[in-house]
Amino acid sequence: SQQGEEDPQALSIQEGENATMNCSYKTSINNLQWYRQNSGRGLVHLILIRSNEREKHSGRLRVTLDTSKKSSSLLITASRAADTASYFCAAATQGGSEKLVFGKGTKLTVNP
Amino acid sequence: AAGVIQSPRHLIKEKRETATLKCYPIPRHDTVYWYQQGPGQDPQFLISFYEKMQSDKGSIPDRFSAQQFSDYHSELNMSSLELGDSALYFCASSPTGTGYYEQYFGPGTRLTVT
Repeated sequence: SQQGEEDPQALSIQEGENATMNCSYKTSINNLQWYRQNSGRGLVHLILIRSNEREKHSGRLRVTLDTSKKSSSLLITASRAADTASYFCAAATQGGSEKLVFGKGTKLTVNP
Repeated sequence: AAGVIQSPRHLIKEKRETATLKCYPIPRHDTVYWYQQGPGQDPQFLISFYEKMQSDKGSIPDRFSAQQFSDYHSELNMSSLELGDSALYFCASSPTGTGYYEQYFGPGTRLTVT
């Protein structure tokens, strides 16, 4: 990937636990977006954080952004079996079309 | 709410054949992006259009071309298909291409080249 890495690559937790996924990127960004993908299906937009924001919440999701370290984290609280999916961060590059550069994704398994 | 529409959803082609993938963005979205996701890979940017003009180009093979039409729908044309072209192809749309806008993805077209 042009962009960077996601950490961990795979995460297995029990229902009710929290899941934290980390993402690093390399370029200057306008915003960073998180997506969910169920087993080779479509990409579902979860949350967008702007480059001038440090933290954002949406329901059970909490995203942080540290532009000095070029890193972001996604926290899912009180996880459910239905949260089982792959999670990708995607950085919208500055300038041009704001194409998204994706990280390699974290495969989350939530065990009932 | 209207979503991004892609057709066909599944496509099977043989090597050296051609394929055309279509994308219909969310109404009033003027920017369209195409991404390719190989098996077990992260999505990779191919090409984008803003107001019917190509706005950016990524790692798109010369065998591929794309355009955006006056009604904002976009088509990705792929010729001389190779086995390695087998992938999920996503189209995404967003409103006005600068600023802080989410990209909304279609369900994807799964292309299998045999």
